[in-house]
Amino acid sequence: TQLLEQSPQFLSIQEGENLTVYCNSSSVFSSLQWYRQEPGEGPVLLVTVVTGGEVKKLKRLTFQFGDARKDSSLHITAAQPGDTGLYLCAGDGSSNTGKLIFGQGTTLQVKP
Amino acid sequence: DAGITQSPRHKVTETGTPVTLRCHQTENHRYMYWYRQDPGHGLRLIHYSYGVKDTDKGEVSDGYSVSRSKTEDFLLTLESATSSQTSVYFCAISESSGRTGELFFGEGSRLTVL
Repeated sequence: TQLLEQSPQFLSIQEGENLTVYCNSSSVFSSLQWYRQEPGEGPVLLVTVVTGGEVKKLKRLTFQFGDARKDSSLHITAAQPGDTGLYLCAGDGSSNTGKLIFGQGTTLQVKP
Repeated sequence: DAGITQSPRHKVTETGTPVTLRCHQTENHRYMYWYRQDPGHGLRLIHYSYGVKDTDKGEVSDGYSVSRSKTEDFLLTLESATSSQTSVYFCAISESSGRTGELFFGEGSRLTVL
C-alpha cells in the first residue's frame, strides 16, 4: 500500500516568515500534486510535478519533486494571512485511473 | 469554476438508515470520484468511475456502493449508515487520468450519523 506522510501536520507562524512542508513516501510516484483547501470548500490544485528533481514556482510558493520521485516539498516565502489553509499532497497510485493517494494534510495558519 | 454540484450539502441521519449522496457535473468529464475526508487522514478514495456503468473500488469502499447511469451523475449510497461513516464527502471529476490528471472537487457533503 502506497502512503504519503506529510509534516508538519500543523503550523502556526507570523506574517512574513518562511516555511516548508514535506511530503514523503517509501514508494515511487510518477507524478505528485499539491492542493490547497479552504474551510467549507473542496481542494484546489496548485501544481503538478512529474520529473525527478523538478522545481516549480508559483509566486511565493516553490514546489520540488525529489530526485527519486518519492518525496516533495512546498516552500512558502514571506507567508501572508491569505496563505492560511490546508495543504495536501497527492500522488498517483496508478497511471491509468487517476486514483490519487493523498497525504493527511498540513494545516497552516498565518497570523497578521 | 468546474461545474460540480453535490447534494445534499448537509445531512443528519440515524444509524441503520440508507443515505444517498449525489454528484452532478456539467463538464462532461469521463472520470468521477468519491472521497471522504476525516481529521488526520486527508482524503481517502471510496469509489471511482471511468465511464457510464464503469465503476471500481477505492481504498475504503466497505459499506458504500455507487452507481453511474449517466455521464453527469455519480451517486454514492450508504445502505445502512453507521457512526463511523460520519464524515465530509467530496466528489471530484477529472477529464484525464494518469500523471497529468487534475481533480476538480465539489464543495463537499457533511454527513452526521447519530
